[in-house]
Amino acid sequence: QSALTQPPSASGSPGQSVTFSCTGTSSDVGAYNYVSWYQQHPGKAPKLIIYDVTKRPSGVPNRFSGSKSGNTASLTVSGLQLEDEAVYYCCSYGGRRFPYVFGTGTTVTVL
Amino acid sequence: QVQLVQSGADVKEPGASVRVSCETSGFTSTNYYMHWLRQAPGQGGQGLEWLGIIYTSDYPEYSQKFQGRISLTRDTSTGTVYMELSDLTSADTAVYYCARERLGSGTYSGYAFDIWGQGTLVTVSP
Repeated sequence: QSALTQPPSASGSPGQSVTFSCTGTSSDVGAYNYVSWYQQHPGKAPKLIIYDVTKRPSGVPNRFSGSKSGNTASLTVSGLQLEDEAVYYCCSYGGRRFPYVFGTGTTVTVL
Repeated sequence: QVQLVQSGADVKEPGASVRVSCETSGFTSTNYYMHWLRQAPGQGGQGLEWLGIIYTSDYPEYSQKFQGRISLTRDTSTGTVYMELSDLTSADTAVYYCARERLGSGTYSGYAFDIWGQGTLVTVSP
């Protein structure tokens, strides 16, 4: 089971928006609406910010939004803030044989 | 407060086994699916890898990659979940996380991990 493909890095100035992708296959991202996104700061555990492709857990700012088209999911961070500097991982459910596969991670830098 | 607290860092020799514990508080762990994941150390972080799940019935399922050398268990009296990995090699050096699967609508399956432990660094070295 291969990892989902994410761009290594993305950047933007404070207040700007940044969008980056997460590409899988017809067996994972394309097959299920169970894509989730996690934010990870250095030395910390990942934090859930998006689940079921587009939904935000309670307490997550609405600056974070998710979408999906075919085998590719995307995360958009609007109104970038310094605290958004982190590594972001996507994750997709892939069925009983390969239940969860993660992306390679995208490092977001706020310039 | 809902939280997962894991056991401390450990150093093992190649070929040994390691057991990591994950204490739950603020919720009843037997009402949730609990997962184990790991992340190899490295600058900027390395990718996350799913290891296995223990269902509310205490039945475990494992990633095919680790089948045969991983065991997930739960102490139902305390709610603590455990991960044991055997036949360790240097490739198993990583931070190991326990995580709770969020509840879905009317189902235990939420397909995302909403609560994470703080992580346990396991180092495999001669």
